[in-house]
Amino acid sequence: DQQVKQNSPSLSVQEGRISILNCDYTNSMFDYFLWYKKYPAEGPTFLISISSIKDKNEDGRFTVFLNKSAKHLSLHIVPSQPGDSAVYFCAASAPGGGADGLTFGKGTHLIIQP
Amino acid sequence: KAGVTQTPRYLIKTRGQQVTLSCSPISGHRSVSWYQQTPGQGLQFLFEYFSETQRNKGNFPGRFSGRQFSNSRSEMNVSTLELGDSALYLCASRPGGGSYEQYFGPGTRLTVT
Repeated sequence: DQQVKQNSPSLSVQEGRISILNCDYTNSMFDYFLWYKKYPAEGPTFLISISSIKDKNEDGRFTVFLNKSAKHLSLHIVPSQPGDSAVYFCAASAPGGGADGLTFGKGTHLIIQP
Repeated sequence: KAGVTQTPRYLIKTRGQQVTLSCSPISGHRSVSWYQQTPGQGLQFLFEYFSETQRNKGNFPGRFSGRQFSNSRSEMNVSTLELGDSALYLCASRPGGGSYEQYFGPGTRLTVT
């Protein structure tokens, strides 16, 4: 049973517009959420994270929103740039890293169109 | 600071053989985790080591094992390789303590024939 779900396998956005990537989770024990970006033949790169005590965290062009009641988080990228084309993974952790390490979604392939 | 390094980057093995993968964490990081990435299952947690002790383990058979050395470098071993073990194996490090953010290496691409 997938505890972290990214329901859109791919997303196409025009350069300069906003990219919104979504993630849902089922485990109420998760208290920390992270977004990673991955290029082919490279390991995932940490982008931004959010603790469950917050509902928003911003870092430059990247903002993560957390809706605990809906068990939903989203990553907003504004404005989208060609270099943002990559696979984005949502990940979640139970307190202290949990017994299962980070639990990842299956990723969303973001394509930025010129 | 240098990032997480993994060796080798690519490996081809035959069914039934065993393999050892190596990971050097970011300097000062005491926790090393291993993940398996496959097209069907995505990224799955294998195990985590902290100060030479395995702290957490994912849902993988006993053929998958690891260890961590006193300098925090880690190795992962897979014995009696099966075709389904073909995957990208990723190592990640974090400082330890209360930090959640893990920093990944480039991975080792293992192909089992």
